Amino acid sequence: AQSVTQLDSQVPVFEEAPVELRCNYSSSVSVYLFWYVQYPNQGLQLLLKYLSGSTLVKGINGFEAEFNKSQTSFHLRKPSVHISDTAEYFCAVRNPSGGSNYKLTFGKGTLLTVNP
Amino acid sequence: DAGVIQSPRHEVTEMGQEVTLRCKPISGHDYLFWYRQTMMRGLELLIYFNNNVPIDDSGMPEDRFSAKMPNASFSTLKIQPSEPRDSAVYFCASSSSPGLAGGGETQYFGPGTRLLVL
Repeated sequence: AQSVTQLDSQVPVFEEAPVELRCNYSSSVSVYLFWYVQYPNQGLQLLLKYLSGSTLVKGINGFEAEFNKSQTSFHLRKPSVHISDTAEYFCAVRNPSGGSNYKLTFGKGTLLTVNP
Repeated sequence: DAGVIQSPRHEVTEMGQEVTLRCKPISGHDYLFWYRQTMMRGLELLIYFNNNVPIDDSGMPEDRFSAKMPNASFSTLKIQPSEPRDSAVYFCASSSSPGLAGGGETQYFGPGTRLLVL
């Protein structure tokens, strides 16, 4: 079974500051990793994903994440946040083997609040 | 593209009533997912379909919940009878086949249906 732990339920930061949202996963097999963002009263939207290859993944809106297999982590970073980045961020994992395992397991989410 | 369409956006009902949530996936997508989001349990996968066939319904909480996908462009999630603990936001998502080059691994979410059972 897979699981995802998002270590911080809330992260408040000031505008233009850097931010890191932490995600650790547990899996006995290789994984695909994802970050989704949910703006207030909206559905989730994919920010970025790691399937294979380079461990540094760049996504939309200036976000990036680094896959660290030894630490089983996939932390999300942005060097300078904007007020509009205020949202809830979800880390997710899935088993690449497909078939009946085509299920995303989500973390509990991290609420990023960007203050002026 | 209109994206994933869900209706209604909000539903308020009384305990014991039947509730039907509807979803229209993105055209061409052959996977459809139903999720439930609550403060206590976070985002949970209830069931997913491939080519209109249910593949995994292990997340469906109990027999009061049922889901159907009669064709490639429509799915329903029904709760009968509804209970206050069913209050949540229900999301539908769709995707193309995993493993396809490009977006096969991306799930596209609808705006959700906010359900309140009194």
